[in-house]
Amino acid sequence: QQPVQSPQAVILREGEDAVINCSSSKALYSVHWYRQKHGEAPVFLMILLKGGEQKGHEKISASFNEKKQQSSLYLTASQLSYSGTYFCGTAYAGNNRKLIWGLGTSLAVNP
Amino acid sequence: NAGVTQTPKFRVLKTGQSMTLLCAQDMNHEYMYWYRQDPGMGLRLIHYSVGEGTTAKGEVPDGYNVSRLKKQNFLLGLESAAPSQTSVYFCASSYAASYSNQPQHFGDGTRLSIL
Repeated sequence: QQPVQSPQAVILREGEDAVINCSSSKALYSVHWYRQKHGEAPVFLMILLKGGEQKGHEKISASFNEKKQQSSLYLTASQLSYSGTYFCGTAYAGNNRKLIWGLGTSLAVNP
Repeated sequence: NAGVTQTPKFRVLKTGQSMTLLCAQDMNHEYMYWYRQDPGMGLRLIHYSVGEGTTAKGEVPDGYNVSRLKKQNFLLGLESAAPSQTSVYFCASSYAASYSNQPQHFGDGTRLSIL
């Protein structure tokens, strides 16, 4: 039931792009994306809803493939501030008031 | 703009002691959540509440109790602390939402060590 995130870790140089995936074995109603810096709380980035609606961050984009039950987070022209751990949280039919979280993807952006 | 406030921020307990963690939000959110975060384990839901006076179990509820007597507060209690409960605890809140279509707002966390 826990979504699977890939890759587990990414190292980028400033300006490079990255894609982080979140896959589920169950039908999804929504996918949340959050970024957490070391020692801090998770911060909301994006929500993707069944049906295609998106809510979130201006500089980060994401997709939601309902057929594959997968969401992808696209980080383009990465900045040093993008470093952190990215988590996806998923909501399912019959379980839609709470999120089940992936284990996270660690992203390091170097100068 | 306080948002979600957790107290205390740090605490060290001895095995068998009890304590209560307090979460307060000033955004008039209906839903509130308690998570624990351990290295490599992501966020795991302990208990949650969808409104004043209501609580429900999450993924890892054993050893914890909660209460939501007021809409703005959500308390997490450890009756008899165990070393396995050493963790970082996060509280979060959100507006009521069908299919979780509202973001969760997190507090800064409570770092709890059980010796």
